[in-house]
Amino acid sequence: RKEVEQDPGPFNVPEGATVAFNCTYSNSASQSFFWYRQDCRKEPKLLMSVYSSGNEDGRFTAQLNRASQYISLLIRDSKLSDSATYLCVVNIIGNQFYFGTGTSLTVIP
Amino acid sequence: DAGVIQSPRHEVTEMGQEVTLRCKPISGHNSLFWYRQTMMRGLELLIYFNNNVPIDDSGMPEDRFSAKMPNASFSTLKIQPSEPRDSAVYFCASTSYGDEAFFGQGTRLTVV
Repeated sequence: RKEVEQDPGPFNVPEGATVAFNCTYSNSASQSFFWYRQDCRKEPKLLMSVYSSGNEDGRFTAQLNRASQYISLLIRDSKLSDSATYLCVVNIIGNQFYFGTGTSLTVIP
Repeated sequence: DAGVIQSPRHEVTEMGQEVTLRCKPISGHNSLFWYRQTMMRGLELLIYFNNNVPIDDSGMPEDRFSAKMPNASFSTLKIQPSEPRDSAVYFCASTSYGDEAFFGQGTRLTVV
């Protein structure tokens, strides 16, 4: 079983739409959680960390549900520049970073 | 800091040849990771080091793959002999005590 599971999409949404991604993880010893963004043919880069209390950064909101072992990312008022692949990441005890396979988002004019 | 530096950026080689990928982590980071990315399997963790010591290499696909970290500023991933199915983008990343992982720009490997 994979450590992190994501719906690969693709998600095609119009500009201004709200879109949500979910991700589940299998190891209850997971300590920290992140969302990374990867543009085509580029390296992944940190979008935001995910905290137990939930956190918001502008149009982006991340939430963590430890009981159900899932992480979510909500993007409001989608922009064309949001088109990318979004990777869910968990850091398991011992400093092992595991990535989901990514969810592809295309924002359409 | 220049960030994580990988070389070469692109590598095309013939099946059976040895391939060596190189990585220089960010100075002061204590963990280094090697990942492989393909369309089919996404981003896979191959191996990671803490303080230059290999901790988990369970993701290394076969004995043809080996990785070393002789010091805190350098790591290599070697494939010998290479096969067409090894074609992928290989990323190196480093982090400091589980904080944000920073990635290099990757090496795009093509084995023909």
